[in-house]
Amino acid sequence: SQKIEQNSEALNIQEGKTATLTCNYTNYSPAYLQWYRQDPGRGPVFLLLIRENEKEKRKERLKVTFDTTLKQSLFHITASQPADSATYLCALADSSYKLIFGSGTRLLVRP
Amino acid sequence: EAEVAQSPRYKITEKSQAVAFWCDPISGHATLYWYRQILGQGPELLVQFQDESVVDDSQLPKDRFSAERLKGVDSTLKIQPAELGDSAMYLCASSSLDRGNEQFFGPGTRLTVL
Repeated sequence: SQKIEQNSEALNIQEGKTATLTCNYTNYSPAYLQWYRQDPGRGPVFLLLIRENEKEKRKERLKVTFDTTLKQSLFHITASQPADSATYLCALADSSYKLIFGSGTRLLVRP
Repeated sequence: EAEVAQSPRYKITEKSQAVAFWCDPISGHATLYWYRQILGQGPELLVQFQDESVVDDSQLPKDRFSAERLKGVDSTLKIQPAELGDSAMYLCASSSLDRGNEQFFGPGTRLTVL
């Protein structure tokens, strides 16, 4: 069956460091992958989209990589700030564009 | 920037009662989604509309859940009767073709079934 795995343990890092979050998937051939940010009690907010034929995408301090051979996406936040503390969700879409979400990884950035 | 509106924000009900949630998507967004999110998990799609038509309701428990989008604008999700296991956050999202499949989520309705 299709499976998306994100680290269930919170990632705790020092302000200014680079945060790296991982999204692995199995039994899936996604057309593209998205990353969302979710704050407690709020709906997810779209951050980045990367297509299957793209290796890397950047937006300001954010960078996403997509390796369809490893079936993995990495999400990086450089120069992290306490305001970056949130849960980050990866979501995969197949050719029908239906999104399947991972369970998310909580990021804590210490000042 | 325009936002997706949902109401109510919180709902407490007893099991076997009926509940309804309302969503108003961003103006001009043809696609509307209802998701359920259990604490500690990612959102799970319940139903997807394209204009007023259902395009995917494969994960909607149709014995108790129903959804409609009569005029292709706002939408209502209903649960009747509610069960204890329905306690969750219900999220509405919308998207438009010119923004790819970037989905804009509303603030959600937190449902507690006692």
